[in-house]
Amino acid sequence: DTGVSQNPRHKITKRGQNVTFRCDPISEHNRLYWYRQTLGQGPEFLTYFQNEAQLEKSRLLSDRFSAERPKGSFSTLEIQRTEQGDSAMYLCASSFVGRGREQYFGPGTRLTVT
Amino acid sequence: DQQVKQNSPSLSVQEGRISILNCDYTNSMFDYFLWYKKYPAEGPTFLISISSIKDKNEDGRFTVFLNKSAKHLSLHIVPSQPGDSAVYFCAARTQGAQKLVFGQGTRLTINP
Repeated sequence: DTGVSQNPRHKITKRGQNVTFRCDPISEHNRLYWYRQTLGQGPEFLTYFQNEAQLEKSRLLSDRFSAERPKGSFSTLEIQRTEQGDSAMYLCASSFVGRGREQYFGPGTRLTVT
Repeated sequence: DQQVKQNSPSLSVQEGRISILNCDYTNSMFDYFLWYKKYPAEGPTFLISISSIKDKNEDGRFTVFLNKSAKHLSLHIVPSQPGDSAVYFCAARTQGAQKLVFGQGTRLTINP
């Protein structure tokens, strides 16, 4: 049984560069979520997909952020023109509709913008 | 606007004793509550949950209590073990919504 996986685990980038993260959910999970966590805070919701449809986006998700989930399997989160304030842990989670309401999280991608 | 609050940033408990972690919320529309545990360099791991129609849910050493009138929930761990040392987050969800709203976390340290 494989859990939620995320790649890369760490990313260091210079301000202004674009970055892309990938999340592979637990197989057969049809909902996928992205959260962001900064130091000393709990995870904050960014967006979620049911299958390939993006159903909700937080106001935290500025125009520089875009998420996709083609074919309803893995998902990517892209940040364009990164800023130092984007430095955070980006967490992905997945769940299965109709089978409990808990979400299962991956290990996260830590982004550092210099 | 912090809808879910964990007012204790840290808690230290002796091994074998009871650990009690607290969480308060302000949104009366929350109907489902969860506790997650997080080790360094790992994502949060689901521990236990409770629906608003209940006031207690138990799973092994972990029990969650919900007091809706006080908008308060707590997680009891008994007996506490060294492996329980981690950051604990409470989270809440409104009916029909998918996003979880998290508290800031409480770092629990179990001392031998």
